[in-house]
This record gives sequence, structure tokens and C-alpha cells, in this order.
Amino acid sequence: GQQVMQIPQYQHVQEGEDFTTYCNSSTTLSNIQWYKQRPGGHPVFLIQLVKSGEVKKQKRLTFQFGEAKKNSSLHITATQTTDVGTYFCAGGRYSGGGADGLTFGKGTHLIIQP
Amino acid sequence: NAGVMQNPRHLVRRRGQEARLRCSPMKGHSHVYWYRQLPEEGLKFMVYLQKENIIDESGMPKERFSAEFPKEGPSILRIQQVVRGDSAAYFCASSPNLDGGRNFGPGTRLTVT
Repeated sequence: GQQVMQIPQYQHVQEGEDFTTYCNSSTTLSNIQWYKQRPGGHPVFLIQLVKSGEVKKQKRLTFQFGEAKKNSSLHITATQTTDVGTYFCAGGRYSGGGADGLTFGKGTHLIIQP
Repeated sequence: NAGVMQNPRHLVRRRGQEARLRCSPMKGHSHVYWYRQLPEEGLKFMVYLQKENIIDESGMPKERFSAEFPKEGPSILRIQQVVRGDSAAYFCASSPNLDGGRNFGPGTRLTVT
């Protein structure tokens, strides 16, 4: 079945440093979604990328979808303490057979040291 | 527009009891998903439902677990004869279609003593 691998599992940064998490799929994805989960909270949808090579920005966050639609990255510039949490990618399968259609990575835990 | 609602937020059950978790999707969302999360781990898909239909339950254990999304009322995830290993956070999510982003509820933290 489809697998979505996410690295690194944990990332410690000093406040103000940049942060990047990577997501890789064993199969071509229909879309990639990113979620953020604060400690003790619930996942919150950030963005969806659909097109090959797509790049989207949200303030200090930059999301990329690879040309082959098998990988993606989330880059945060100049991290702040509010960025703490776990960032999940979720790869969309080309639907068929009534399946859920989405496979989550295990997440990258971002820890920020002030 | 209220988000996805889940109750209870915390649930404590003794081994062998039943746990019943409720989820009300966002208004206008007909797709409901249940996920399970252990501490420091990712989200494990359990079941995907639309009104009155289970579309995919491939992630749900065959025994003791069941889910429904009736025509009226919330979606229910039911765990019979709970065991300690069922302790986890259970999140419900909803979406207007299969391909879009999911809106997650605050979760139910189940503790089995």
C-alpha cells in the first residue's frame, strides 16, 4: 500500500532559525496536505497542493510539491515560539474503491529553544 | 459556523466497559473520518463514513469496534469491552468532499484503567 515517510522525526532549533520538514511518498500523489498540531491540541489544516511543482506561501511558511508529485516540503523562516508543534503531511491517493484517500506521515515535532 | 464537535473531551473507562464517542461534523460536511493517535505518534486512520454508510473501515479492528453515522444525529464510534491498549486520543474529522482538507475536532482522550 501507499506509504508516506516524513523526516526528520524531531527537530530542535533556536528561535529565529529556519526549519524544514520533508515528506516522501512511494507512489504518485493526487495532492499533498499539511497540518499542524500544537501540543495537547488537534490537527489543523494548513494547506493543500495539487499541481506538479506547485509552491505556496503563507507568511513565513513555504510549501512545495515536487515535480513528480511524490515529495513535498514545508519550510518555516525565522521560527517563533508559536511555531512549536507537530507538522504532518498527508498524501492523497487517486481515489478508487471507496477508500479514505489520504495517508498521513508520522509527523515532525518542532521544538524551539528561546 | 461551528467547527467539528466531539464529546466527551475526556473519558475514563474501566477494562470491560463500553466507550461511546460522538462527533458532529461541520455544517454542510457529509464526509466523516475517525482517527486514533497514541502519544508522540501519528494519526492512524480508522473509518470513513458518509450519511448512513460506512465507506471504508479498513483501519478499524474487526472486533469490539464499530462506527455509524445515522441520518439524524452525530457519528458514533463505539468500543466494546475496552482494554488498556485502547487508551488513546480519538479524533474525528469532516470534509465537504473526499479530496479536500479535513477539519478536525478537538478529540476525545480515552483512558482505560
